[in-house]
Amino acid sequence: DIQMTQSPSFLSASVGERVTLSCKASQNINKYLDWYQQKLGEAPKLLIYNTNNLHTGIPSRFSGSGSGTDYTLTISSLQPEDVATYFCLQRNSWPLTFGSGTKLEIK
Amino acid sequence: EVQLVESGGGLVQPGRSMKLSCAASGFTFSDYYMAWVRQAPKKGLEWVASISYEGSSTYYGDSVKGRFTISRDNAKSTLYLQMNSLRSEDTATYYCARHGGNSPHWFAYWGQGTLVTVSS
Repeated sequence: DIQMTQSPSFLSASVGERVTLSCKASQNINKYLDWYQQKLGEAPKLLIYNTNNLHTGIPSRFSGSGSGTDYTLTISSLQPEDVATYFCLQRNSWPLTFGSGTKLEIK
Repeated sequence: EVQLVESGGGLVQPGRSMKLSCAASGFTFSDYYMAWVRQAPKKGLEWVASISYEGSSTYYGDSVKGRFTISRDNAKSTLYLQMNSLRSEDTATYYCARHGGNSPHWFAYWGQGTLVTVSS
């Protein structure tokens, strides 16, 4: 099975700051990597699919990049409504596996 | 508007069975792969199972293989998860999710979840 390691586990940043979240796969996942946002008490929501494609309705301050085993989610200017836990998901092979999440808070 | 509404959760004893349902609307159900994803209390997300658009192919996570069965009724636009031999570690909120198309693409839409508690 492919293991997904997210870092950091917790991140505190200021409004307006550029934030970078990392997701590392245990083997090449060929850019089959998605990012999900989960706010407290809510269902997860798709942000980015296939590494760098912004899902419909997602603000352009969110972007994704990466290849091989290393992937990144960037928020260009952190907003208060971005407080959430962010999960990555690999879909290169079964079983699908999520990272353990990065909890993002406002400083 | 895409809607996914889960039902069937609740309290169940260890070793017993439970069946979850997910009623879909707002899209052509038979055109999409579907899935179940769960989240234990205060834990991360775990993919449970996926099923192809016509139901002929199914895929399972290691922790549920042989105990859970995913199925669908395209005429009723409904997804199911039959859970047998339940364990305390199966306690979680179970989300129904729609893949992005007629392949196991990204999870484009999610239901609000149904809580399953396995306890004596």
